[in-house]
Amino acid sequence: GAVVSQHPSWVICKSGTSVKIECRSLDFQATTMFWYRQFPKQSLMLMATSNEGSKATYEQGVEKDKFLINHASLTLSTLTVTSAHPEDSSFYICSAEAGASGSYEQYFGPGTRLTVT
Amino acid sequence: AQTVTQSQPEMSVQEAETVTLSCTYDTSENNYYLFWYKQPPSRQMILVIRQEAYKQQNATENRFSVNFQKAAKSFSLKISDSQLGDTAMYFCAFMDYRGSTLGRLYFGRGTQLTVWP
Repeated sequence: GAVVSQHPSWVICKSGTSVKIECRSLDFQATTMFWYRQFPKQSLMLMATSNEGSKATYEQGVEKDKFLINHASLTLSTLTVTSAHPEDSSFYICSAEAGASGSYEQYFGPGTRLTVT
Repeated sequence: AQTVTQSQPEMSVQEAETVTLSCTYDTSENNYYLFWYKQPPSRQMILVIRQEAYKQQNATENRFSVNFQKAAKSFSLKISDSQLGDTAMYFCAFMDYRGSTLGRLYFGRGTQLTVWP
């Protein structure tokens, strides 16, 4: 089956620094990737949709200057949390879809736990 | 906007018994997909079952089956012969149908299912 990886799985950073999270589709090409944020015992909240080679589309209320998303290739999307603050601490999940292959399924990464101290 | 409602925040069932999780949704679309995802303590999102709205037959995957009532906009998940490994958060999700590309997923708030011995 299709596999999506995320790196790192867990990161601790100091307030004011930036942290980058990678999302990779390992065995398929992903034309579209999605980034979610999840607080404990809550549902997934879509942050943005990224398409390879174009700018990401952010959901209302998500600061695009704070959460930088780059989808430079068909197998890699990155989320950079700039000038992180403790309130950015959360679980970040990416998903990827295989594009115009007839599949309508999103494949999820294992998530990244971000702790800002 | 599409909305997905899961009215049961928590449920519990004894091992080997059957349990049904409820989900309703609201949409003006005629073509769409519905999903049930499972998120165990590892927090990896796992697809349990999917249903295409144009199919009248209810989807089944081994011990998991759905009761899809399109007119009532209801999509419940039945788990038969519950196992301890079924303990997880279950999310109902709705996806727009956009031809060969995927739309975004709309998630419910989730139902925490606990299977006890």
